[in-house]
Amino acid sequence: QQQVKQSPQSLIVQKGGISIINCAYENTAFDYFPWYQQFPGKGPALLIAIRPDVSEKKEGRFTISFNKSAKQFSLHIMDSQPGDSATYFCAASFGRHAGNNRKLIWGLGTSLAVNP
Amino acid sequence: DAGITQSPRHKVTETGTPVTLRCHQTENHRYMYWYRQDPGHGLRLIHYSYGVKDTDKGEVSDGYSVSRSKTEDFLLTLESATSSQTSVYFCAILDGIYGYTFGSGTRLTVV
Repeated sequence: QQQVKQSPQSLIVQKGGISIINCAYENTAFDYFPWYQQFPGKGPALLIAIRPDVSEKKEGRFTISFNKSAKQFSLHIMDSQPGDSATYFCAASFGRHAGNNRKLIWGLGTSLAVNP
Repeated sequence: DAGITQSPRHKVTETGTPVTLRCHQTENHRYMYWYRQDPGHGLRLIHYSYGVKDTDKGEVSDGYSVSRSKTEDFLLTLESATSSQTSVYFCAILDGIYGYTFGSGTRLTVV
């Protein structure tokens, strides 16, 4: 059962525009929400993450917005650049402190293309 | 990639043959994971390890086995490869409490 629903599946944005990717979750036990960025031929790399006790986190051009009541979180890429073209995955994690009792549930990914 | 090396990077094998993929890490991380990535399915956990000789199944473990005889090496074995196991396989380590670091992947084609 897919517990983290990601949309859209693909996204095309013009250079300088704002890219927005959304994720919705069901399990209220999730307590950590990372976003991963993956370039072709590479493994996913952690981009930015948020805990549910804050509503927004910003790192450079990347911002996570978190709506706990709606069980939704989104990634905003400001001033999108062609170098941002990649696949983006949201995820949600829950469980005991670390390791084998902590589970990470992935969204299915969004393929972003930023046109020059 | 934070000291994670996957080998081979590419492999073509025939149906019914055994295949072993290797993940090697240099930073003494306790937790290691094997994922497969397929279009439309995202990343799916196959097996993971929480220490030497300590492993457990993920959500798509059928047809796969793993071994971890040393902290630095986590092996994924396809006992008898099938076409449905054609995929890109990623190894990952738990870096800190929550962060996962992935290797560059192995592209496996079963013909």
